[in-house]
Amino acid sequence: QSALTQPPSASGSPGQSVTISCTGTSSDVDSYNYVSWYQQHPGKAPKLMIYEVSKRPSGVPDRFSGSKSDNTASLTVSGLQAEDEADYYCSSYGGSNNLVFGGGTKLTVL
Amino acid sequence: QVQLVESGGGLVKPGGSLRLSCAASGFTFSNSYMSWIRQAPGKGLEWVSYISSSGTTVYYSDSVKGRFTISRDNAKNSLYLQMNSLRAEDTALYYCARERDYHMDVWGKGTTVTVSS
Repeated sequence: QSALTQPPSASGSPGQSVTISCTGTSSDVDSYNYVSWYQQHPGKAPKLMIYEVSKRPSGVPDRFSGSKSDNTASLTVSGLQAEDEADYYCSSYGGSNNLVFGGGTKLTVL
Repeated sequence: QVQLVESGGGLVKPGGSLRLSCAASGFTFSNSYMSWIRQAPGKGLEWVSYISSSGTTVYYSDSVKGRFTISRDNAKNSLYLQMNSLRAEDTALYYCARERDYHMDVWGKGTTVTVSS
């Protein structure tokens, strides 16, 4: 199962919006609404930010939103804040009892 | 509070074995699906294995199938990963996580496995 494709980096200034893409295939992202996004600060464990494409767990700011179109999922961070600077990973159910992750995107707040 | 604490990592030679443990607290472990996810140094996340709440259903990634065994002891609120025939490419930080419908909502801090001669 191939990993999902994410851009290695993204950036934005405080207050701006930034969108991170996650491209899969017809076997994963396009076939299932089980796309998740995780935030990971250096030296810390990942934190769930979005699940089932666009749902936010309790406690996650509504500045974070998710969407999907065909085989590409997206995470949008609005009103960028300094603490949003982190690595972001997408994941999707890939069928055949398999879960696939993206390679990660380093988000820099300028 | 909801917590997962991994242990058992260390330095092992290629071909060796290691058993990781994950102690759960603050939630009903016996009702929870669980997974192991790993992260090689400077790399991304990789799903390793899944186990159902009862332990009767298990799944593995192709990269560890036949070498790793996931198990759990609900009486002890504990998850395990038996790793055999270890390779250099298994070197990683191993996280245990609670899984719900293909997403991980609770993560431990991880335990480091280094495979090197």
